[in-house]
Amino acid sequence: AQSVTQPDIHITVSEGASLELRCNYSYGATPYLFWYVQSPGQGLQLLLKYFSGDTLVQGIKGFEAEFKRSQSSFNLRKPSVHWSDAAEYFCAVCTSGTYKYIFGTGTRLKVLA
Amino acid sequence: DGGITQSPKYLFRKEGQNVTLSCEQNLNHDAMYWYRQDPGQGLRLIYYSQIVNDFQKGDIAEGYSVSREKKESFPLTVTSAQKNPTAFYLCASSPRSGGYTEAFFGQGTRLTVV
Repeated sequence: AQSVTQPDIHITVSEGASLELRCNYSYGATPYLFWYVQSPGQGLQLLLKYFSGDTLVQGIKGFEAEFKRSQSSFNLRKPSVHWSDAAEYFCAVCTSGTYKYIFGTGTRLKVLA
Repeated sequence: DGGITQSPKYLFRKEGQNVTLSCEQNLNHDAMYWYRQDPGQGLRLIYYSQIVNDFQKGDIAEGYSVSREKKESFPLTVTSAQKNPTAFYLCASSPRSGGYTEAFFGQGTRLTVV
């Protein structure tokens, strides 16, 4: 069965430090991968997506992610974190044919001033 | 403005009562989804619909029901059979046709059953 694993439940970084959030997926075919961000009590906003082509994708708010097929990973990175980046981040995969979106359990980011 | 509207934002119900959550989209999307969000569990798929008058169960459909009579509407009913209904509910949609793309989300409804 398809699944998405985000191994880090909470991450704390200092403002200005670099960030990497991990995401591993389990899916037999070509994956369609996404990163979303959620502020408390709000819906989800798309940060970036990968469908094919260049394995390094750029998103909004200075985020990027790298698709590594050999590791079944799609990690999210940001070189310098801002206090406003504090939120919950979700990795997701879309299954071809059924158009189902499967989400990981999320990583809550805390930013220290 | 195009988007997905969920109403109400907050909903309180007594135990044993059925309650219906509204989800409307004006994006002309074919597919619509309902997710439940609980702390530490991410988003879990309740039901999804790829086309009008058709829908499929997701991973946690027990105690829930849906209908898709119109393309723009996908209401979710939380029935009294749902053992732990208090949660944050998110509705989403995607174009489906024309290739794969991201899902677009509403702002959610927080349901509290007392």
